[in-house]
Order: sequence, then C-alpha cells, then structure tokens
Amino acid sequence: GAGVSQSPSNKVTEKGKDVELRCDPISGHTALYWYRQSLGQGLEFLIYFQGNSAPDKSGLPSDRFSAERTGGSVSTLTIQRTQQEDSAVYLCASSPRGWETQYFGPGTRLLVL
Amino acid sequence: SQQGEEDPQALSIQEGENATMNCSYKTSINNLQWYRQNSGRGLVHLILIRSNEREKHSGRLRVTLDTSKKSSSLLITASRAADTASYFCATDGGFGNEKLTFGTGTRLTIIP
Repeated sequence: GAGVSQSPSNKVTEKGKDVELRCDPISGHTALYWYRQSLGQGLEFLIYFQGNSAPDKSGLPSDRFSAERTGGSVSTLTIQRTQQEDSAVYLCASSPRGWETQYFGPGTRLLVL
Repeated sequence: SQQGEEDPQALSIQEGENATMNCSYKTSINNLQWYRQNSGRGLVHLILIRSNEREKHSGRLRVTLDTSKKSSSLLITASRAADTASYFCATDGGFGNEKLTFGTGTRLTIIP
C-alpha cells in the first residue's frame, strides 16, 4: 500500500510570503504528526493530531505556524510571513494509533530567501 | 534539553565490522524506538523496545535497554555500505506523556 506522501518535495519562497505544506497519511492511521528538522539536527516536534481529539499544538514555535487535518486524513501545515529561520525540512508521520511506530513521509525541504 | 541523546555523534567503521550506538534519556519511559534516516529525508522505523524488555533483535540489529541506567544501545552487526545513515533514538515521557522526543542522532559511515 501507499506510504505517507508529502508535497511539495521542495519549496523556495521569499521572506514574508505564506507557504502551505501538505501531508497525506497512510489510510486508516488515526494519528498524524508534524516535525521540523534543521540541517544536521534532530527532529523538533510541532503538532500532533489524534482522531477527533483537539490537536496537541505545544510544539508550534510561533503563531505564524498553524495546521489543520481535514476529515481525519489529509493535513496542511501553514507558515505565514515566512522568515529565513523557518528554512528546514518539514516531516510528516502517521501511525495507526498513539505514540508508537511512526511512518514518515519523505519531507518537504523549505528554503526561505 | 533533549530527552534522548545519542553517542557518538559520528562513527566511521570498515564494512563488515559491528557498529554500536548509544542513547541516554532522562525520565521514565514506556518504550524507546530507533529510527534510520538516509540523506536527510524521511525516517524509517527500525525497532521498538518496551520498558519491560531488556533486549530485542531484528535481523542484523540488536537493541538493549537498561532502565536503571536510562540508556539503550543499537548494535548493527556485519555492517554494509547501505547502513550508512543517521540513526536516532526516540523516547516517550512515560505513563500519560506519550509524546516522542528524538535525539540529535548518530551519523554512521561505513567505509567499503
């Protein structure tokens, strides 16, 4: 079956512009996660969706960051008024339920000029 | 600060040798996971070990967990060039705190 997919693969934008990153989780997975990884660093948790529960947004670095998950499936991470420090790889993962084995997408590499 | 921290940060070995990476963490956990990342893209899950387990095997991988020392090790036996990657441990925060925290990883290079 299909794995987690993310689009776009790469995104170059100008400082101050808004960007939307998309994640399609594995069908049937109730949990979805967004992470950010700066060059040579570990993963920084951003947000977690589980079923119909309120998302855990505790990792979002500022109010410029927001995420939605429509219909319990596809998720969109939006970054408003992008800054150069937002440049990173944004990784999405899903899992059948809570915080167990996570299946990662290939990531979106964001470059803010 | 990181819940899980890997050691060493980088490791280079000859093909065929064994590679050992370590992970230390700070708080009680329910489980600990190891992931591999190639070329800075998506992570691939390798193995999950629960807090009541001491050792687990999967193919050429062997993971140990010592909850008294709050540490885990990942052993890759008979390394291959394809094992070149970054390896991350991920830990939860114990009962009622299931969010995973990833370490900064060990960069493993296998020299042909």
